[in-house]
Amino acid sequence: GNSVTQMEGPVTLSEEAFLTINCTYTATGYPSLFWYVQYPGEGLQLLLKATKADDKGSNKGFEATYRKETTSFHLEKGSVQVSDSAVYFCALLKSGGSYIPTFGRGTSLIVHP
Amino acid sequence: SQTIHQWPATLVQPVGSPLSLECTVEGTSNPNLYWYRQAAGRGLQLLFYSVGIGQISSEVPQNLSASRPQDRQFILSSKKLLLSDSGFYLCAWSVPRLNTEAFFGQGTRLTVV
Repeated sequence: GNSVTQMEGPVTLSEEAFLTINCTYTATGYPSLFWYVQYPGEGLQLLLKATKADDKGSNKGFEATYRKETTSFHLEKGSVQVSDSAVYFCALLKSGGSYIPTFGRGTSLIVHP
Repeated sequence: SQTIHQWPATLVQPVGSPLSLECTVEGTSNPNLYWYRQAAGRGLQLLFYSVGIGQISSEVPQNLSASRPQDRQFILSSKKLLLSDSGFYLCAWSVPRLNTEAFFGQGTRLTVV
């Protein structure tokens, strides 16, 4: 079946540091890939997405590239801010069947001033 | 545009009491609907999903149930709450038959005491 594996957290960084959160997936065919962000006490918000191989999703300074050869969708940001502190979820959606999104376990990011 | 409403935002209920959480979607027709639970510091657990009125699929056997009485209404219920039912409950929707993202409500923080 489909699965998503994210790096364990928490990830603790100083402001303006470079961020990478690793995400790898297992799925047949060509799933769509997503990164969601969850701020404390809130629901999940879509951060970025990519629907085919080599696509790069980007939003608010975050980027992730759909790498089919390595089945990865790593999240990066060049300079994090305190306001980026949140939990980040990698997810995939595979067409066919029930179209149920599959989520990773989430990675907590803590950014210190 | 499409919106999703979930209520209440916070709920404190005694053990053994009933539960009813409601979710409605506006601005779309025949959405896929989902209920997830997020325990403290954990990832997302899919509880139920629905592809149409009266069509409910359960992913995890437990003392919760779901119903979809109208096209854009999804209700999570329990006859008798357990302490282990405490958590953050999230409703989500997606466009059927497409590899597009799921959109989440703001969540309900349920504490069973």
